[in-house]
Amino acid sequence: AQSVTQLGSHVSVSEGALVLLRCNYSSSVPPYLFWYVQYPNQGLQLLLKYTSAATLVKGINGFEAEFKKSETSFHLTKPSAHMSDAAEYFCAVSDYSSASKIIFGSGTRLSIRP
Amino acid sequence: DGGITQSPKYLFRKEGQNVTLSCEQNLNHDAMYWYRQDPGQGLRLIYYSQIVNDFQKGDIAEGYSVSREKKESFPLTVTSAQKNPTAFYLCASSIEVGGPYEQYFGPGTRLTVT
Repeated sequence: AQSVTQLGSHVSVSEGALVLLRCNYSSSVPPYLFWYVQYPNQGLQLLLKYTSAATLVKGINGFEAEFKKSETSFHLTKPSAHMSDAAEYFCAVSDYSSASKIIFGSGTRLSIRP
Repeated sequence: DGGITQSPKYLFRKEGQNVTLSCEQNLNHDAMYWYRQDPGQGLRLIYYSQIVNDFQKGDIAEGYSVSREKKESFPLTVTSAQKNPTAFYLCASSIEVGGPYEQYFGPGTRLTVT
């Protein structure tokens, strides 16, 4: 069974600083991995996804994530934080089985300090 | 524009009343989902449907019911049996369940029961 763990329920960075949100997964088969963003009182929006092509995945709004099989990680990064990046971020995992649902992490709230 | 619509955005009900939340998609997706989101918690799956006239319980189905009579519609009924119905409800859809297929989310319905 798959699972995903997001380290840190709340991360705070200064505007212009590096953003690093951590996600570790557990899967007995090659996974598909996703990062979503949620702004207050809105639905989730896909930032990027890994589907076994390139291990470095680029997404929207300047975010990217790197799949590291040896570390079972899929951390999300952005070189320079903007105030508009303040939101909740969810990591998610699924696998090739059609009966397998996407499993979401518990989320990390990102705050940006001026 | 293709997407998912949920209505209403805010819903208020008295305890003991059933209430139905609407979810419509025009993405031609086979799979649809309902999630519940509480403060400080991630997404919890209530029900999902892989095809018309078929649906499966998720992790927290007790006190909820769904129907899938049309491909584009997946309404959720919160019954009086649900002990703590006040929450943010998110509907989503995807091409298929699981695999590399990301979920697309609606804007959510915030239900308050007093």
